[in-house]
Amino acid sequence: AQKVTQAQTEISVVEKEDVTLDCVYETRDTTYYLFWYKQPPSGELVFLIRRNSFDEQNEISGRYSWNFQKSTSSFNFTITASQVVDSAVYFCALSYNQGGKLIFGQGTELSVKP
Amino acid sequence: DTAVSQTPKYLVTQMGNDKSIKCEQNLGHDTMYWYKQDSKKFLKIMFSYNNKELIINETVPNRFSPKSPDKAHLNLHINSLELGDSAVYFCASSQGPSGRENTQYFGPGTRLTVL
Repeated sequence: AQKVTQAQTEISVVEKEDVTLDCVYETRDTTYYLFWYKQPPSGELVFLIRRNSFDEQNEISGRYSWNFQKSTSSFNFTITASQVVDSAVYFCALSYNQGGKLIFGQGTELSVKP
Repeated sequence: DTAVSQTPKYLVTQMGNDKSIKCEQNLGHDTMYWYKQDSKKFLKIMFSYNNKELIINETVPNRFSPKSPDKAHLNLHINSLELGDSAVYFCASSQGPSGRENTQYFGPGTRLTVL
């Protein structure tokens, strides 16, 4: 069965701290795709990144970085020097090659305090 | 220039009523989706259309009926609304239904409240 687990329900940090959001997935497929989405307080869902199962290279985009490890079925997301604007619910999601639908984790609510 | 738009943004209605939510995308994508986000923020797929054809139909009550008049539009009609239908409904689109084309872009959501 395909499943995504985000064990951290809520995280609270102070501005400028680094924070890592964990994501663990389960799938029997050898080809699959992993995603992160951000849902700020305004409610929209914003696409952040897509990773293919055959590409384990880590990715950095500004203060955001992603660590994909197939050996532990994890796709963790780190925000460096967090800012108040990073406060949001972050969702990790999985889709497989033939499927189309996104299977979401439960979300992690990140609160960054000034 | 909104990529994926939904109307209305808020919908408040009485139990038993019928209502529709409209979605339009101007990204030139072939595939569109409806997701439901419940009060605990859990997101779950409801339907997906590819080139106007239904390709995903999760275990959703028959009271929910999607309609895709063309590739750019996917509407959701709900009959006989129930309290449990209260949720945020998101429309999304992607280039294609699977693989590399499946990065999904979401609309702003429609918050449905059934009284």
